[in-house]
Parts: sequence; structure tokens; C-alpha cells
Amino acid sequence: DQQVKQNSPSLSVQEGRISILNCDYTNSMFDYFLWYKKYPAEGPTFLISISSIKDKNEDGRFTVFLNKSAKHLSLHIVPSQPGDSAVYFCAASAGSAGNMLTFGGGTRLMVKP
Amino acid sequence: GAGVSQSPSNKVTEKGKDVELRCDPISGHTALYWYRQSLGQGLEFLIYFQGNSAPDKSGLPSDRFSAERTGGSVSTLTIQRTQQEDSAVYLCASSRDRDTEAFFGQGTRLTVV
Repeated sequence: DQQVKQNSPSLSVQEGRISILNCDYTNSMFDYFLWYKKYPAEGPTFLISISSIKDKNEDGRFTVFLNKSAKHLSLHIVPSQPGDSAVYFCAASAGSAGNMLTFGGGTRLMVKP
Repeated sequence: GAGVSQSPSNKVTEKGKDVELRCDPISGHTALYWYRQSLGQGLEFLIYFQGNSAPDKSGLPSDRFSAERTGGSVSTLTIQRTQQEDSAVYLCASSRDRDTEAFFGQGTRLTVV
């Protein structure tokens, strides 16, 4: 029973365009959501987060949108750069950012020059 | 060091042998997590330590898996009588407290032959 799902295993985008990565969750107790980026042979690195009291959080080229009623969040990267090519994991926790995270299966983003 | 450190980075072991994986969290971080990523899969939660509280072991897949955290710092994940399905990248993460994001180490790639 996957509580956090990333339905697109891969995404290919042209450099300079927008990348949109999607994530759905089923557990209504989740109230904190994070995105991690992972390069091969490295651990995931924290990218951006959002709490359930907000519907948008922006940090430079990265924006996360949260739709609580739909239990859906998305990560927008604009403009996309070749260095953004990595696997992106959506994660959720209940109670606080430091609680146990439940991860989605990841989406491999490929940004073509 | 500045980040979460894991050792060894790679481990090849024979089926049936025991292995120990080590994690040095970021100094001062009270929360420590173990996750694993099997080939083509997302990140699977294993165990969570928070301060002096009893650990959350709900993710451990069998009683062959155990973990301890000594002195609130270094953690060791032990897998007894390893099986081929234990082959995965084992990732450790730490966070300063319950309200901050987790930072990951580079992982230990375990291969059971």
C-alpha cells in the first residue's frame, strides 16, 4: 500500500523549459512534504519543502505547490538546466519535518541541452 | 565532518553471513534514520531514532535486521544471515530535531552473493 506515489517514472524536458514533477498521497495525516534530488551513487539531497498550512513555496527556480483537497503536490523547475537531471523523490511526514519520511518511488528527470 | 558519513561505501558478502553498516550523523543532530533503496525501487524506511526515546522499528523487514545508536551519536545497522533480497543501498540520514529536514549520507551499497 503506497502512501506516496509518483506515477511518472521518468520525464524528459528541453533545457530552458519548465519541468513539472507530480506526487500524490493517500494518508490525510501527512502535513509536511519535501522534495529530494538524488544523483547516481550519492545520497538524496534536500531541495524544498512545504507545510500543509501553505499552498505554495518558492525557492529560486524551484516552486512546490500543494493541493490538500486533491492530496497532490507538484514541483516546478523553471528554467530547467542540464544539471537538474537527477531522480526526484517526493516525501511526506506527519507532525513535523523531522519525523519519519514516507517516500515516493521517484521520477527520473532528464533535461536535454 | 560536515555531513552524514557512512561506512563502508560498498560491501559484498556471502549469503548467510552477518554484516554491520555504520552511520556517523551530523554532530548535534538528535534524529537518525535508516532507509534502503533496492534496485529500481523508492526509499524504504527501516528505523528511526529520536533523542533518548525508544526507536521506531516499524520498518525493519524481519528480525534479522537490528540497529542501535550508541551515546546518541553513531549508529550501526546489523543484518544477520544475509539473503540475496537484502542487496540494496542502505542510506542513513540525520536531522537536528523533529522540526528540521533530514540530511542523507552517500549510502552503503550492499551486495549479497
